[in-house]
Amino acid sequence: DVKVTQSSRYLVKRTGEKVFLECVQDMDHENMFWYRQDPGLGLRLIYFSYDVKMKEKGDIPEGYSVSREKKERFSLILESASTNQTSMYLCASSRRGYTFGSGTRLTVV
Amino acid sequence: GENVEQHPSTLSVQEGDSAVIKCTYSDSASNYFPWYKQELGKGPQLIIDIRSNVGEKKDQRIAVTLNKTAKHFSLHITETQPEDSAVYFCAASTDSGGGADGLTFGKGTHLIIQP
Repeated sequence: DVKVTQSSRYLVKRTGEKVFLECVQDMDHENMFWYRQDPGLGLRLIYFSYDVKMKEKGDIPEGYSVSREKKERFSLILESASTNQTSMYLCASSRRGYTFGSGTRLTVV
Repeated sequence: GENVEQHPSTLSVQEGDSAVIKCTYSDSASNYFPWYKQELGKGPQLIIDIRSNVGEKKDQRIAVTLNKTAKHFSLHITETQPEDSAVYFCAASTDSGGGADGLTFGKGTHLIIQP
C-alpha cells in the first residue's frame, strides 16, 4: 500500500513565523498535492506538483509556497503565518488514484 | 473551474437502513468521481470511485451511480452499521483518476448511524 506520511500531527506556531509542513510518499508517485480542510468548506487545493522542481497553483495559493527538491518529498511553506491559516492540512500523492496522509492540524496564535 | 455541490451536510439514519449522499458537478470534462470516508483524526480514505464510461459500480454494501447528462453522482450505503459513521466527501477530476489535475471536493456529509 502507498504510504503518505506527514511529519507532524499537531503544530502550534506564532503569527509571523515561517512554517514548514513536510510530506513524504514511498511509492515513487509523480504527482503530489497540498489541501487545506476547514469545517463547512471541505478540502481546497493549495498547490500541486507533477515532477521534481515543478509546482502549480491550486485554488487558494495565497500566503503559501511549496518546494519539491526530491520526488518523494513535497513541502508546504507558510512564509509568515497568520491566524487565518489555522487549519487542517492534508497531503496527497497519486499516480492512479489518490492517497492522503493523516493530516497536520496547524494552530497559529 | 470545477464546482462540486454535495448534499446533505448532515445525515442521520437508523442502523440497518440505507443512506444516500448526492453530488452535482459543473465541468462536463470531469471524468473521474471518487468517494472518500474520513474518520476522526484520520486522512480521507478512498472507498469507491467511478469513471465516466460507467453508470454504476458496486462494492458489497456500497454503490455509486453516475448520470453524466444531469452531471450528478450519488453514494448509496445499504444495511448501515455503526462503523459507517464518518464524514464522506465526493470529488471530481478531469484526469480519469491518473492524478495529474487534482481533485475538486464537495463540502462533505457527516453521516450518523443511530443505534
